[in-house]
Amino acid sequence: DTGVSQNPRHKITKRGQNVTFRCDPISEHNRLYWYRQTLGQGPEFLTYFQNEAQLEKSRLLSDRFSAERPKGSFSTLEIQRTEQGDSAMYLCASSARDFSGNTIYFGEGSWLTVV
Amino acid sequence: AQSVTQLGSHVSVSEGALVLLRCNYSSSVPPYLFWYVQYPNQGLQLLLKYTTGATLVKGINGFEAEFKKSETSFHLTKPSAHMSDAAEYFCAVSDKGFQKLVFGTGTRLLVSP
Repeated sequence: DTGVSQNPRHKITKRGQNVTFRCDPISEHNRLYWYRQTLGQGPEFLTYFQNEAQLEKSRLLSDRFSAERPKGSFSTLEIQRTEQGDSAMYLCASSARDFSGNTIYFGEGSWLTVV
Repeated sequence: AQSVTQLGSHVSVSEGALVLLRCNYSSSVPPYLFWYVQYPNQGLQLLLKYTTGATLVKGINGFEAEFKKSETSFHLTKPSAHMSDAAEYFCAVSDKGFQKLVFGTGTRLLVSP
């Protein structure tokens, strides 16, 4: 399977702990995105990388959140000092320009539950 | 700023009936428009997209959507619903730049036998 891969798929953590999610994009996709989705809502944009450069961050991405994409390959999203409001599904997506513009492919998501 | 409005958080149809899921967008620049489907506890799968050219776009699983600029709409249709179509459907808009997707709140499609 050469789709977008995310792990762990599920994480339960105690409030105040740090968590890290990993995303492996589709091979050769130079663009990588992180979104957050809460129950009953559509995904909300968090941040975007082109290769290793982080080009945009949403205001949703507080200073407790940090994302990296070393060497332009996989990416990690770390949440420090988790709060109950961080409980959500974190979606990673990747894209590469095709003939009709970018097609963005999503992974299966990483569910975070903060207790 | 771009935005998407999906009318109806839930739509119920009988198996074999027409499916119509509504999406209206707001964009100050020519938009790219997308429909994604999400099954329970899974990520999003692209159904179809409009970028340029033909305004009637065909996607996977028999779905299609028509871009109507005058109505700022991109409604999703399928002539005959199947039980396996039951899922959450999201409409999204982006610009032609780096393609940050802005999603609607989703419509849950329920299909009854």
